[in-house]
Parts: sequence; C-alpha cells; structure tokens
Amino acid sequence: QKEVEQNSGPLSVPEGAIASLNCTYSDRGSQSFFWYRQYSGKSPELIMFIYSNGDKEDGRFTAQLNKASQYVSLLIRDSQPSDSATYLCAVEGNYGQNFVFGPGTRLSVLP
Amino acid sequence: DTGVSQDPRHKITKRGQNVTFRCDPISEHNRLYWYRQTLGQGPEFLTYFQNEAQLEKSRLLSDRFSAERPKGSFSTLEIQRTEQGDSAMYLCASSLTSPAGETQYFGPGTRLLVL
Repeated sequence: QKEVEQNSGPLSVPEGAIASLNCTYSDRGSQSFFWYRQYSGKSPELIMFIYSNGDKEDGRFTAQLNKASQYVSLLIRDSQPSDSATYLCAVEGNYGQNFVFGPGTRLSVLP
Repeated sequence: DTGVSQDPRHKITKRGQNVTFRCDPISEHNRLYWYRQTLGQGPEFLTYFQNEAQLEKSRLLSDRFSAERPKGSFSTLEIQRTEQGDSAMYLCASSLTSPAGETQYFGPGTRLLVL
C-alpha cells in the first residue's frame, strides 16, 4: 500500500522566516514528487515538482529530494502571510500510476 | 485558473438521489483524474482515464460510482443512490504525459452535500 505522510500542523512561522515542510513516502519505486498549495475552500495549485535527488529552486521555493531516505521537503524562504495555506505532498509511482497525496501540512505565517 | 473546469461548483442533494458532475480538462491533455477530498485530508484517488479508456479505479470506488470519458475530452462522474458519507469535494485534474513526466492540474472542484 502506497503511503505518503506529512505532519498535519499547524506549522506557525513569523513573516520573513523560512518555513520547512516535510514529507515521507513508502513506495521506494516512486519516481516523481509534487508540492501543491491549497487555500481553504479552493482546489490544489501546483507549486513545484522534482524528479531527481538534490535541490530544485524556483523563486522563494526550494524542493529537496532524498530517494534513499524516501523523503521530500519544501522550503519557503521569506515567508509571507499569503503563504498561509495547506501544503500537499503528492507522489507518483512507477509507470505513471496514480498519484498518492499526503494529508497536507497547514502552514500559518504570522505577520 | 488552470484551464480545467468543473460543473456544477456546488450541489446539494437528498440521500438516495443520483448526481452527475462534469469535468472539462485542458484541451490537449490526454489524462483525466477524479479525486475526492474531505476536510483535513488530501485528495483521494478515485479513477483515471487515458484518452477515452478508464485505466484504473480505486478499490474505494463502490458500484454506486461510475465515470465516463466518451470521446476522450470531457468526463462525467455519476453517483447513484447518494449517501451522507458521499459529502465531499470532488476534484478533477488533467495532465499531459510526456517522456519528461506528468504534472496534474486541478479544476475548482464540485462540493457535494448530501442531506
């Protein structure tokens, strides 16, 4: 059974700080990893995807992947109150199988 | 706006009634997914299509649920004899598969309330 785990939070950080969101997955064959942001009452919105071990940066966001440890994280630099949302980690298995989402981590950025 | 649309955005129905939701994906996308999401949980996979073929269905999808994508474009999800436990947000996502991988883009969702 594929599983994706995240701390449910809430994770509270002050404005301007770095927010660190973590995700672990159980399927060692997983190939692709995604971070989505979901505001309350809205649908998930893609932030980043990562396929290879290491870091991938896009603006204030950095995704980090460690396949040996089955761990993927998202760092948000210079956090803003508008970053307050639930962050969903999604994992795609081998051969384009369906995506599995974690329960999400609720982030609160305090002004 | 991702380009994926869903209709209706909200639906209130009485237990035992049938409901049908529609999803229009991004036009060049060959895959279409249906998810269900309840409060405090991540989206839960229901089924997906590659073009018009339904390739996978979740074991969680009971016989009361059926989905179609007749011409490989829009898709419908029907729930028969609705139950209160069906109350949730139903999300549609579409993607274009390529050698580089696959990224799903979500529609706004249909929020279902079964009374």
